Amino acid sequence: ELKVEQNPLFLSMQEGKNYTIYCNYSTTSDRLYWYRQDPGKSLESLFVLLSNGAVKQEGRLMASLDTKARLSTLHITAAVHDLSATYFCAVRTGNQFYFGTGTSLTVIP
Amino acid sequence: DTAVSQTPKYLVTQMGNDKSIKCEQNLGHDTMYWYKQDSKKFLKIMFSYNNKELIINETVPNRFSPKSPDKAHLNLHINSLELGDSAVYFCASRLQGLAGNNEQFFGPGTRLTVL
Repeated sequence: ELKVEQNPLFLSMQEGKNYTIYCNYSTTSDRLYWYRQDPGKSLESLFVLLSNGAVKQEGRLMASLDTKARLSTLHITAAVHDLSATYFCAVRTGNQFYFGTGTSLTVIP
Repeated sequence: DTAVSQTPKYLVTQMGNDKSIKCEQNLGHDTMYWYKQDSKKFLKIMFSYNNKELIINETVPNRFSPKSPDKAHLNLHINSLELGDSAVYFCASRLQGLAGNNEQFFGPGTRLTVL
C-alpha cells in the first residue's frame, strides 16, 4: 500500500514568516494534490501537480513536485492569519487516493 | 448550484440503529467515493464506484453498504451503529480519464455521532 507522510503535523508560525510543509510518498504516482480544510468544513482543492518539476503558485502558497525524490512541498510566504487551516497532500494511483496525515497550521498575529 | 451535496449534514443516533447518508453530484462525474475522517482528521477511503460499479472496497465492517443507483448518486447505509462509527463522512466525485487534473471534489461532510 502506498504510504504518504506529511510533516510537520502541527505548525504554529508568526504572521509574516515563511515556512514549508513536506509530503513524502512511497511509490510512483499519477498525480499529487494539495487540499485545505478549515475547521468543521470540507476539503478545498488548492493545487494539482502533474509531472516532475511542476510548480504552482496561488497567492502566498506555492507547491512543487519532485517525482524522483517522491517529495512535494507546500511553501508559505509571509503567512497571514487567514491561512490558518489543515493542509493535506494526496497521491493518486489509478482510482485510489492516499492522503497524508495533514498539517494543522496556526498563524499567530 | 451545489456541486457535491450530502444529506444529512448532522446525524445523531443511538448505538444499534441503522442509518443512511446520501450523496449527489451534478458535475457530470463518473466516479464517486466515500471517505471517513476520524477525530484526528485522518482521511481514509472506504468505497468507490465508477458508473455504478464498485471499484474500491477497502477493509471496512460489512455493516457499511454503499449503493449507487446511478452515476450521480452514491449512498452509504450503516447497520447496527457502534460508538466507533462516530466520525465525519465525506463524499467525493471526479471524472476518470488520462487527460486533465482528475481531481476530486468533496461534499460538505456528514458528522455522525453515535451515542
